[in-house]
Amino acid sequence: NAGVTQTPKFQVLKTGQSMTLQCAQDMNHEYMSWYRQDPGMGLRLIHYSVGAGITDQGEVPNGYNVSRSTTEDFPLRLLSAAPSQTSVYFCASKLLGQGTEAFFGQGTRLTVV
Amino acid sequence: SQELEQSPQSLIVQEGKNLTINCTSSKTLYGLYWYKQKYGEGLIFLMMLQKGGEEKSHEKITAKLDEKKQQSSLHITASQPSHAGIYLCGAGHQAGTALIFGKGTTLSVSS
Repeated sequence: NAGVTQTPKFQVLKTGQSMTLQCAQDMNHEYMSWYRQDPGMGLRLIHYSVGAGITDQGEVPNGYNVSRSTTEDFPLRLLSAAPSQTSVYFCASKLLGQGTEAFFGQGTRLTVV
Repeated sequence: SQELEQSPQSLIVQEGKNLTINCTSSKTLYGLYWYKQKYGEGLIFLMMLQKGGEEKSHEKITAKLDEKKQQSSLHITASQPSHAGIYLCGAGHQAGTALIFGKGTTLSVSS
């Protein structure tokens, strides 16, 4: 049982480049979400999904796109990377409903130069 | 506006001392989560609280949920250097909505 798998673990991009951060879970969780973590800011929600075909914006969605074509995968796309997007990104998944544990990936450390 | 407020933002305690971290929500809670993170690493699940008055313990860490006050407290007894890190509270506010987090509390334990 792999849990939540994020790839890559580290990435350096040049300003203006695009890329996709991958997130996959094998627990058949309906809910998946992406967060960014910056010093002193906790985890800020970027986008989330409550099922295949359903996505919604979080607190800081600008500059990011998501899609949820399958239950297992929830990729995060950076359309045109900016230095302000330098951060550590975490993906999480859980079953819908109260009282279910949220599982996190190990994170992707992204640097935009 | 921040929906989950954690206090204090940072804390330095001497080894062996007790400490408490608070998490207050501006909305009705639908599950409250506590995670710990070592610097530069992933998140470690500590515990999850659902019902008012619920209290859970994990080794020397105890968390309580006061549903009426929309608040949770995390208490560490006899702190050790291994307790150092960032403590994050997270919550859902309604079924089928996002899980959001506070800004975290950075704990340092001096020996």
